[in-house]
Amino acid sequence: EDKVVQSPLSLVVHEGDTVTLNCSYEVTNFRSLLWYKQEKKAPTFLFMLTSSGIEKKSGRLSSILDKKELFSILNITATQTGDSAIYLCAVRTSGTYKYIFGTGTRLKVLA
Amino acid sequence: NAGVTQTPKFQVLKTGQSMTLQCAQDMNHEYMSWYRQDPGMGLRLIHYSVGAGITDQGEVPNGYNVSRSTTEDFPLRLLSAAPSQTSVYFCASSYFAPTGAPEAFFGQGTRLTVV
Repeated sequence: EDKVVQSPLSLVVHEGDTVTLNCSYEVTNFRSLLWYKQEKKAPTFLFMLTSSGIEKKSGRLSSILDKKELFSILNITATQTGDSAIYLCAVRTSGTYKYIFGTGTRLKVLA
Repeated sequence: NAGVTQTPKFQVLKTGQSMTLQCAQDMNHEYMSWYRQDPGMGLRLIHYSVGAGITDQGEVPNGYNVSRSTTEDFPLRLLSAAPSQTSVYFCASSYFAPTGAPEAFFGQGTRLTVV
């Protein structure tokens, strides 16, 4: 059965801290791994990763994929209160192109 | 550009009632899907569709029906609502073809309470 597991489930940090969120997966026909940020309502897209070892970066956020060990990490440096959200990892499969989501990591950044 | 539109935003149902959650997208996406989001469970796939006339079950399909008569619309039907179906429901769409943008676009969600 296809599975995506995120850790930790929740995290509380102070502004300025650096956090690392983890996503591991076991799926057949892996195509890509996506990260989303969910604040109050709908998830919004952050990154897509398809190749191992290539870092994607956007401002203070960065992410990398390891297809051999079947995991990805999302780093957030110099965290701000606006980074408080649920961060979702999803794996997209080939063939049916299904998205399989992890449980999410709830991040709270304290001022 | 509306993106993915879900209605209603909120709904309260009595046990045993039926209803349809509407989802429409104007991006000509082939792929549409329904998820439910429960605390601690993440997004779980209910049903999905890879094009008009084609639907398939996801992880938690029981108690739900879908149809896809047009590319734009993908309604989710609750046949006989149960308290276990209290959840937040998200509709999402994306390109199915490999050359399309990969990310899923989400509607704003429907918060459903079954009493």
